[in-house]
Amino acid sequence: SQTIHQWPATLVQPVGSPLSLECTVEGTSNPNLYWYRQAAGRGLQLLFYSVGIGQISSEVPQNLSASRPQDRQFILSSKKLLLSDSGFYLCAWSVGLPGPEQFFGPGTRLTVL
Amino acid sequence: GENVEQHPSTLSVQEGDSAVIKCTYSDSASNYFPWYKQELGKGPQLIIDIRSNVGEKKDQRIAVTLNKTAKHFSLHITETQPEDSAVYFCAATGGKLVFGAGTILRVKS
Repeated sequence: SQTIHQWPATLVQPVGSPLSLECTVEGTSNPNLYWYRQAAGRGLQLLFYSVGIGQISSEVPQNLSASRPQDRQFILSSKKLLLSDSGFYLCAWSVGLPGPEQFFGPGTRLTVL
Repeated sequence: GENVEQHPSTLSVQEGDSAVIKCTYSDSASNYFPWYKQELGKGPQLIIDIRSNVGEKKDQRIAVTLNKTAKHFSLHITETQPEDSAVYFCAATGGKLVFGAGTILRVKS
């Protein structure tokens, strides 16, 4: 069966510091991968998605970037965090066309102080 | 692009009662409609979904109905239990998933 992991589970970072969040998927090949941000416990905003290694699509302009160095690894990064980057970051995967049947990871709670 | 509206934003029901959450979508090309349940501090969990060629789907105490003409779909939970308390999200897609804003469901025992 497929499983998705995210780490760290929680993170507290000062403004201006760098960020690296990691997501890995097991039990499937060539998944589509997604990064979402959820603010204030509600609403899911799609940040990035990837249909293959090195292929990244950005949905909204922001202070973040994403990379996919391996088939089942997706990384969310920032060079300098802003207060507004605080939130709950969720990674998801799907197979086939982007969209249907996405499965989410446990999330990372990021607090920027 | 697709726009999904979800109502109500909060819903309180007595244990054993039914709960209904409704969503409307704007893009008539959307053909897949999932529902997610999110417990506090966890990632959303896919609980049921429906495709555009089906009008209704049931899985034990939960069901989803779809009205393509009116472009709305609903989640029905019967015999609610305290463990049903969570935030529920609807979504729609013809390509990329677009989520509703969520409904906080509280089941009072």
